[in-house]
Amino acid sequence: KAGVTQTPRYLIKTRGQQVTLSCSPISGHRSVSWYQQTPGQGLQFLFEYFSETQRNKGNFPGRFSGRQFSNSRSEMNVSTLELGDSALYLCASSTELNEKLFFGSGTQLSVL
Amino acid sequence: AQSVTQLGSHVSVSEGALVLLRCNYSSSVPPYLFWYVQYPNQGLQLLLKYTTGATLVKGINGFEAEFKKSETSFHLTKPSAHMSDAAEYFCAVSDDYKLSFGAGTTVTVRA
Repeated sequence: KAGVTQTPRYLIKTRGQQVTLSCSPISGHRSVSWYQQTPGQGLQFLFEYFSETQRNKGNFPGRFSGRQFSNSRSEMNVSTLELGDSALYLCASSTELNEKLFFGSGTQLSVL
Repeated sequence: AQSVTQLGSHVSVSEGALVLLRCNYSSSVPPYLFWYVQYPNQGLQLLLKYTTGATLVKGINGFEAEFKKSETSFHLTKPSAHMSDAAEYFCAVSDDYKLSFGAGTTVTVRA
């Protein structure tokens, strides 16, 4: 069974631009969560989707948004990028909330 | 909100020595607890999970963790370190709809 796939692996953007990250969950997993990982703040929860609905959202500004498609694939978008948005963005899938999370390798975003 | 605290941001062990990583949790309800490992330039991989039942949990790669309610601890151990164990380890607690992670402990293994 294929694991969680995140694309692209690396991204370099400049301040003010927007970016879209993609995540394909493990087949059969309907819950997709996104986390931001930085050296200073560690791992922080962004949001969680289930069956195309955002069920939960972390404490991030509205510039961070996401969606989930009918095939459970998910995208997250960050608009008006700031230097502080530089981070590793991790996607994780599971069969249901509080079940084991399976993480992708992440997208490393650098904002210049 | 639930939270975890990992004691020690860096641990260095000799190959073949015991690996002990400390994690204490704060939870108002019976917690679900996890240990994850992250190798360089990779995502997180689940080592083990505690929900209910047996307090000694065995995971992958020879790791195990013991849930101690009286000490609010969930320490991770491995009897004999291998070079391939060099990585960053995260303790996490299920916090309503998400996982709350500790700050992580980086393990280096000396030959």
